[in-house]
Amino acid sequence: DGGITQSPKYLFRKEGQNVTLSCEQNLNHDAMYWYRQDPGQGLRLIYYSQIVNDFQKGDIAEGYSVSREKKESFPLTVTSAQKNPTAFYLCASSMMDRTGNNEQFFGPGTRLTVL
Amino acid sequence: AQKVTQAQTEISVVEKEDVTLDCVYETRDTTYYLFWYKQPPSGELVFLIRRNSFDEQNEISGRYSWNFQKSTSSFNFTITASQVVDSAVYFCAHSQGGSEKLVFGKGMKLTVNP
Repeated sequence: DGGITQSPKYLFRKEGQNVTLSCEQNLNHDAMYWYRQDPGQGLRLIYYSQIVNDFQKGDIAEGYSVSREKKESFPLTVTSAQKNPTAFYLCASSMMDRTGNNEQFFGPGTRLTVL
Repeated sequence: AQKVTQAQTEISVVEKEDVTLDCVYETRDTTYYLFWYKQPPSGELVFLIRRNSFDEQNEISGRYSWNFQKSTSSFNFTITASQVVDSAVYFCAHSQGGSEKLVFGKGMKLTVNP
């Protein structure tokens, strides 16, 4: 099956700890994204990557870090510097072609709770 | 700056009613794209439609239809004869031409009661 997988589905973290959320896709998409969703809010972009070994900050990158060593993988690390990390995190991917602005496909999400 | 407004936060209807979800966008771009996504209780966003700024034709897909009007900067979504399975949060989103970044509205929670 082609798609995007995120793990774990639920994650609990103690304050002051870093934690890494996994995102893998087998759609052969070039671009990958991380969003954060808070209750009653839309999705806000944390980081995105259009090509391996390159990524850009989104609107709320502070306290987060990413890497893109492989086309299929785009892990997100929530660091202890992130002041309010409890949220639902969604990973997405899309094709990149000359027409641009292709639809993004989303994973099932990871719900992070800081205890 | 781009902005997407979904003024309705929550709507509740009875099965078989028609319901329209409003979306108003702000942009200075001449080339842009608009999207609708559905987020069922499972949490995963499901892509519904993409429309570019040069195509104002309305679109119908089964019970779903979309009305794009540049004159009012709106891209409204209508569900005809709603069903319980339509219960979800619906998001409207915008991207500038040539940019992969999506700007989302805050979403509208639709509850369809049997």
